[in-house]
This record gives sequence, structure tokens and C-alpha cells, in this order.
Amino acid sequence: EAQVTQNPRYLITVTGKKLTVTCSQNMNHEYMSWYRQDPGLGLRQIYYSMNVEVTDKGDVPEGYKVSRKEKRNFPLILESPSPNQTSLYFCASSRDHAGEQYFGPGTRLTVT
Amino acid sequence: GENVEQHPSTLSVQEGDSAVIKCTYSDSASNYFPWYKQELGKRPQLIIDIRSNVGEKKDQRIAVTLNKTAKHFSLHITETQPEDSAVYFCAASPPRGILQGGGADGLTFGKGTHLIIQP
Repeated sequence: EAQVTQNPRYLITVTGKKLTVTCSQNMNHEYMSWYRQDPGLGLRQIYYSMNVEVTDKGDVPEGYKVSRKEKRNFPLILESPSPNQTSLYFCASSRDHAGEQYFGPGTRLTVT
Repeated sequence: GENVEQHPSTLSVQEGDSAVIKCTYSDSASNYFPWYKQELGKRPQLIIDIRSNVGEKKDQRIAVTLNKTAKHFSLHITETQPEDSAVYFCAASPPRGILQGGGADGLTFGKGTHLIIQP
């Protein structure tokens, strides 16, 4: 089954404690991206990757890091989380940047 | 970078009536315009998309129209049903590599429209 998976689905953490949200896709897609969703703000792109070892900033990259060492995986790293990063995070993949985005199930992160 | 405005933020219609959601975009180079539906607690899913070489596309009860000159596009849902209740997002994307000076080389989403179908 074609899918995008994210882990964990829910996470409550404290300010400053490093965390990683994993994302994996099994569709051999080149393009992957991370979004955060906040009430009234829609979906905002954090980082994206056009292929292995090729990543670039989206609209709201501050406080986040990513890596793309393998085509299927695109982890999101918060080195020092802060309360303003409390949000719902979605990973997505697509064949290219202007094609159907397949979203993961989402990760609800709370930073206290 | 691209800026997408979406209206209205909330739309309530009677079951069986039509619903229209409108979006405008700022970058005339954008050439791909998808619409996503997000049901409560679920992930966004593509429902229809249009590329800049066509003006209208239909898929059963949903249709999208694009006016490149005015830089706006709209989602039309006819004969609305309770299962149409959801948040709808429009988005726009320029051709790959077109953006200069930073900004996302991918989809820019509108803020969403909460569509409520009244029984």
C-alpha cells in the first residue's frame, strides 16, 4: 500500500529538549516536504527536499532542521524546541514539486 | 515569493445548494493550482487540480476555474452533501526553480475555508 508514515503521532515535550519526527514514504517520490498547520494560518511549508542530499528552506524554517540521506526518509529535527513550535506537523511526498502531495497522518506536538 | 489569499474563511450552505470558494495568487509564473480537502482529524487529500494551460476542469460534482489574467481560481461544489463538510485549501505553485531570492519552491497554501453543510 502506497503511504507516508510519520512517528510519533503525538508528542509532549519540554522547552529545549531535542526531538526528531520521522517521515517515510514507499512511493519512490523525489519530492518531500514538511508543513506545520496552525488554526487560521493554513499549511505553511517548513522545509522541502527535491532529492537525496538536496534540501531547502520553505516559508517558516526558523528553529527546524532536516536531512535527506535516503530517498524514502525525511526527518524533521527540532534542536531546541520552544512553545511557539507547538503545532500539527505534516510530512508530504510527491513525484515532483508541482504534483499531488501525499500527506502523512500528522504529528501533534506540544512544547511546554 | 508566492502569496495565496482564500475567501471566505467559513462558508455555510444548505444541503443540495452550491458552494464556491475563491483564491487569488500573486506570482504570475505560478502554473499549478490544486485543491485539498481536510476532514476533521484527518490529513489533507487532493480533490482536484488544474494547470495554467486550461481554464476549467470538472470531476463529477466539483469543478475548478482559473482566470490567469486576473490571477484567481475558484472551487465549485454542486449539489452539496453532508460529507462535503470539511476544510478546503487552495494552493499555487510556480515552475520549478523559478523563484529568486529565497522562498519556497513548491506549494503555497491559502489559509483554508471551513465549509459547513446544513441539513
